[in-house]
Amino acid sequence: QSALTQEASVSGTVGQKVTLSCTGNSNNIGSYAVGWYQQISHGAPKTVMFGNSLPSGIPDRFSGSKSGTTASLTISGLQPEDEADYYCSTWDYSLSAQVFGGGTKLTVL
Amino acid sequence: QVQLQESGPGLVKPSETLSLTCTVSGYSISSGYYWGWIRQPPGKGLEWIGSIYHSGSTYYNPSLKSRVTISVDTSKNQFSLKLSSVTAADTAVYYCARGAPPVATHAYYWGQGTLVTVSS
Repeated sequence: QSALTQEASVSGTVGQKVTLSCTGNSNNIGSYAVGWYQQISHGAPKTVMFGNSLPSGIPDRFSGSKSGTTASLTISGLQPEDEADYYCSTWDYSLSAQVFGGGTKLTVL
Repeated sequence: QVQLQESGPGLVKPSETLSLTCTVSGYSISSGYYWGWIRQPPGKGLEWIGSIYHSGSTYYNPSLKSRVTISVDTSKNQFSLKLSSVTAADTAVYYCARGAPPVATHAYYWGQGTLVTVSS
């Protein structure tokens, strides 16, 4: 069982806005920045958000936010190439470990 | 642009030690950041193995801590993973990664990954 909870699956149509969530607690998301990772067809993960900062080369339709112990990744203007598995991750000071969510499978209809 | 490349045996026998190396280009490890290993068993999610700071201090996943050693070789601009007493449950794609700025263990730049199978 993952320390962070993500939706198993989310779907949307091209052009739609979708939001993926990542829920933790005060020991992890409530205290540290959250990273979001995109994994397309079981290839290597790619960082699409860290905190609320976009890594270089990531389209600005991706945005990140956090409220209390829940982090969110929003994709505005969904594109076919956004279909992927998305994982969230942060540090957990009670576990002294980097923890991941179980991942969300995003399907573009 | 930082690039990372994993290397090592693709097949390891049960009870033996898995050894992988990550070669970094485009950035000097000795200049900073955390450097870490993450793995993904077939069909499953991501699992953090551990991270090492450029100075040598380490953090390990508590569930793997007794079997894991991560080290840095700044002269070769490489860092390495050793996982002892492996079993079939250690079969996974292993990724190396550089940490996020300014000083975070969160993966930021990833290698392409290497599949390690534990089997006799």
